[in-house]
Amino acid sequence: EDKVVQSPLSLVVHEGDTVTLNCSYEVTNFRSLLWYKQEKKAPTFLFMLTSSGIEKKSGRLSSILDKKELFSILNITATQTGDSAIYLCAVGNNAGNMLTFGGGTRLMVKP
Amino acid sequence: DAGVIQSPRHEVTEMGQEVTLRCKPISGHNSLFWYRQTMMRGLELLIYFNNNVPIDDSGMPEDRFSAKMPNASFSTLKIQPSEPRDSAVYFCASNPRAGGNTIYFGEGSWLTVV
Repeated sequence: EDKVVQSPLSLVVHEGDTVTLNCSYEVTNFRSLLWYKQEKKAPTFLFMLTSSGIEKKSGRLSSILDKKELFSILNITATQTGDSAIYLCAVGNNAGNMLTFGGGTRLMVKP
Repeated sequence: DAGVIQSPRHEVTEMGQEVTLRCKPISGHNSLFWYRQTMMRGLELLIYFNNNVPIDDSGMPEDRFSAKMPNASFSTLKIQPSEPRDSAVYFCASNPRAGGNTIYFGEGSWLTVV
């Protein structure tokens, strides 16, 4: 059974801080790892990672995958209050299009 | 593109009543997923369809839950009879044929069973 574990469960920081969110996984026939951001409604897609060592970057957010050690990190630099959300990590396998989600990291950024 | 459309957005119902949640996937997407999200258990996959055919329903909690996809543009998730422990947000998501694992979520149906 595929498994995704995220840490920390929750995090409180102040604006301007840098945060690192962790995601470790166990999956048969790994295909991709995805990060989503969930505010009040539906999760919205951030990144999809398929290759080790290649950083994906979007503004202040970046992510990298280590397929040997089976983990990924999501970095957010110069955090803003609008970054407050639940960040979800998910893995997909080659057996189909389904994703297995981790429990999420709840980030709160205080002004 | 309108995105994945779900209805109702919110529903409060009494224990024992039937609940039907509806989903319209993004046009052209050939995979559809029903997820349930709770504080305790996070996001759980209930069932997914590929080309309108149920592929994996191992996440459906019990016989009170059923899902159908009569055509490429419509799916339902039914709970009969509903129980308070079914209270959750139910997300529908879809995935394009060549989109890899990226799935796109609807805004969810917030169900409360009292």
